[in-house]
Amino acid sequence: TQLLEQSPQFLSIQEGENLTVYCNSSSVFSSLQWYRQEPGEGPVLLVTVVTGGEVKKLKRLTFQFGDARKDSSLHITAAQPGDTGLYLCAGGGGSNYKLTFGKGTLLTVNP
Amino acid sequence: DAGITQSPRHKVTETGTPVTLRCHQTENHRYMYWYRQDPGHGLRLIHYSYGVKDTDKGEVSDGYSVSRSKTEDFLLTLESATSSQTSVYFCAIRGSYNSPLHFGNGTRLTVT
Repeated sequence: TQLLEQSPQFLSIQEGENLTVYCNSSSVFSSLQWYRQEPGEGPVLLVTVVTGGEVKKLKRLTFQFGDARKDSSLHITAAQPGDTGLYLCAGGGGSNYKLTFGKGTLLTVNP
Repeated sequence: DAGITQSPRHKVTETGTPVTLRCHQTENHRYMYWYRQDPGHGLRLIHYSYGVKDTDKGEVSDGYSVSRSKTEDFLLTLESATSSQTSVYFCAIRGSYNSPLHFGNGTRLTVT
């Protein structure tokens, strides 16, 4: 069973601060996805990374896939209250039918 | 947004009763999934389907069964609900094995 460990589990910061969320595994993933979930809704895809060392930027969010494809990070610059939510990473393995999800990082950005 | 609807959105039921949750999609996607989300556990895969009448177990399948008789519908059944099955259940779809998941808005199930 492939496991994804996310850290930190909870993060509460002030508006304007920077933050990084981590997603780590001992397994190699063929691809890794980041989702954001708001209360009462399903997760929504933010990005997919597939190549070791890949860096993708989405406005103030920067996603990086580790060289060995075992880990990933999400960096948010100048966080805003609208960034508040549960951030989930999910990895695709060999069969790729199934995605393994981390337990998530609950981010609260205070005004 | 992907056309995916879960019903009901909320349900309260008693221990020992059967419960069926429905996931309906209008995207003609091949793959459909049922996850449960619980505090401290994240999203855990219950069952998934890779085509009509083709289903397989996920990591927490005990006590659950599924059926997919049409491309658009994926049903999750709790044959005899238990309090440990109180959870938020999410259905997800994807068009191909390497495309992202699109989630429904969830069903909050409470077993008393």
